[in-house]
Amino acid sequence: DAGVIQSPRHEVTEMGQEVTLRCKPISGHDYLFWYRQTMMRGLELLIYFNNNVPIDDSGMPEDRFSAKMPNASFSTLKIQPSEPRDSAVYFCASSFGRGIQPQHFGDGTRLSIL
Amino acid sequence: ELKVEQNPLFLSMQEGKNYTIYCNYSTTSDRLYWYRQDPGKSLESLFVLLSNGAVKQEGRLMASLDTKARLSTLHITAAVHDLSATYFCAVTANDYKLSFGAGTTVTVRA
Repeated sequence: DAGVIQSPRHEVTEMGQEVTLRCKPISGHDYLFWYRQTMMRGLELLIYFNNNVPIDDSGMPEDRFSAKMPNASFSTLKIQPSEPRDSAVYFCASSFGRGIQPQHFGDGTRLSIL
Repeated sequence: ELKVEQNPLFLSMQEGKNYTIYCNYSTTSDRLYWYRQDPGKSLESLFVLLSNGAVKQEGRLMASLDTKARLSTLHITAAVHDLSATYFCAVTANDYKLSFGAGTTVTVRA
């Protein structure tokens, strides 16, 4: 079975540009999570969705960050405008049901803002 | 706010010896997870622990949970090189938000 698919794998862009990260969760999973990983702050949950509805976005750092899930098989995380401090690895994860099952992580997008 | 502390943060292991990683958390939790991450890679689920006294084993790794002490341990038996990775524990408190520890970076040397 295909796992969580993220694109792009790597993104390098200049400060001020819009960045869009994409995620396809595992089919049948009803929860989707966006995380950010940095050396300084470790793994942080940014936002999560249940059945395509955002449930908790308290981890989204600023209004420059937004996330959508238009359908069960696709989600985006957008940063506009991007800043160097946004450089990190962004992971998407999905899970099924009431949370007993582990979250399955994608390979991540390594984002560098110059 | 749920806080998760792992120690040690770095662990140099000698092949063939046994070691333990500790994970403490600050508030009541109903689920604890252990993940493994290889450098530049994704996170791979190792164990899900759901109840006090739960013990799970896979190969050379064994995880246990003491909910009263708010402590989980990951025990490595007879370390081998392919266990070199970063190990994370993660805890959730009655919702779906995972709070991760800082990770323990394990290096196994001959």
